[in-house]
Amino acid sequence: KAGVTQTPRYLIKTRGQQVTLSCSPISGHRSVSWYQQTPGQGLQFLFEYFSETQRNKGNFPGRFSGRQFSNSRSEMNVSTLELGDSALYLCASSRDPSSYNEQFFGPGTRLTVL
Amino acid sequence: AQSVTQLDSHVSVSEGTPVLLRCNYSSSYSPSLFWYVQHPNKGLQLLLKYTSAATLVKGINGFEAEFKKSETSFHLTKPSAHMSDAAEYFCVVSPLFMDTGRRALTFGSGTRLQVQP
Repeated sequence: KAGVTQTPRYLIKTRGQQVTLSCSPISGHRSVSWYQQTPGQGLQFLFEYFSETQRNKGNFPGRFSGRQFSNSRSEMNVSTLELGDSALYLCASSRDPSSYNEQFFGPGTRLTVL
Repeated sequence: AQSVTQLDSHVSVSEGTPVLLRCNYSSSYSPSLFWYVQHPNKGLQLLLKYTSAATLVKGINGFEAEFKKSETSFHLTKPSAHMSDAAEYFCVVSPLFMDTGRRALTFGSGTRLQVQP
């Protein structure tokens, strides 16, 4: 069974640009969560999607948004990039919210903002 | 509210010696607790989880952890370290119930394990 896949793996952008990251969950998983990992702040929860609906959101500005498609694939978008947005963005999937704790993580997308 | 404190940011052991990575938590509700491992340039892999069953939890690769409610601890141990264990380890708490309706894994700051030959 294929694991969680994230594309692209690496991305370089400049301040003010916007970026879209993609996550394909494990087949059969319908819940997708996003996390930001930085050396200073560690791992922080961004948001969770289930059945194309955002169920939970972390404490991030509105520049960070996401969506989920009918096939459970998810994208997150960051607009007006800032230097501090440089981070590893991790996606995790689980079968559904009742098995929320059984999360499987992808390898991440490393975003560098210059 | 819940929080996780990993007491050591770095731990260095010799190959073949025991590993102890310490974690203390606070949670308003009965928590689920996890340990994840992250190898360089890789995502997180679940090592083990505690969900109010047996207090001694066995995980993959010979790791285990003991849930001690009186000490609010969930330390990770392994009897004999292997070179391949060198990685970053995260202790994670997730409450079983949340009256705010928000549910999210709360990660500790991580412990980097070095294994010396």
